[in-house]
Amino acid sequence: DVKVTQSSRYLVKRTGEKVFLECVQDMDHENMFWYRQDPGLGLRLIYFSYDVKMKEKGDIPEGYSVSREKKERFSLILESASTNQTSMYLCASSLVKGGGQPQHFGDGTRLSIL
Amino acid sequence: GQQLNQSPQSMFIQEGEDVSMNCTSSSIFNTWLWYKQDPGEGPVLLIALYKAGELTSNGRLTAQFGITRKDSFLNISASIPSDVGIYFCAGELSGSARQLTFGSGTQLTVLP
Repeated sequence: DVKVTQSSRYLVKRTGEKVFLECVQDMDHENMFWYRQDPGLGLRLIYFSYDVKMKEKGDIPEGYSVSREKKERFSLILESASTNQTSMYLCASSLVKGGGQPQHFGDGTRLSIL
Repeated sequence: GQQLNQSPQSMFIQEGEDVSMNCTSSSIFNTWLWYKQDPGEGPVLLIALYKAGELTSNGRLTAQFGITRKDSFLNISASIPSDVGIYFCAGELSGSARQLTFGSGTQLTVLP
């Protein structure tokens, strides 16, 4: 079974702090994704990566950055946290082979910015 | 932005009833996926569909990839309390390899 592990289930930070959310997958997947999930807005793609040291902006990248130094790890960084970044953050990974490969999700990090 | 219309937004049903939900779009999809999300958890893949017209079952769940490639439905038969959760459709748009477009979810409540 695919295992996508997010480092924290719950996190509370203060406005202006630099916040790191970590995600690790154990299935040698090439693709990794970061989403945020808000009531009524569904899942929105923040950033994604198809390979080590490679990143692409998703639909809502403003205020975020990412790092992929190793294939199994994809980090989401909130450069200067703001209250409107309070949300559920979901990491996902998928194989590159062929198209339409399902994305497998972690359990999410519920982030509160005070 | 999202290009999938998922309905209904929420459903309240009695235990034992069958459930049907669907996703539609004006765009063509190469792949349809159905996920379930329990409260406080990440989405879990239920069914993956790869060909137009494909009908696939997973226990009490059945999903179909629409012939036009613009829609998909998910049926749950004989619902039980643990079916409670949010069900999401997701699709890979034609020409948009690797990325998924998500529906807004159907919140299912099963009443005893």
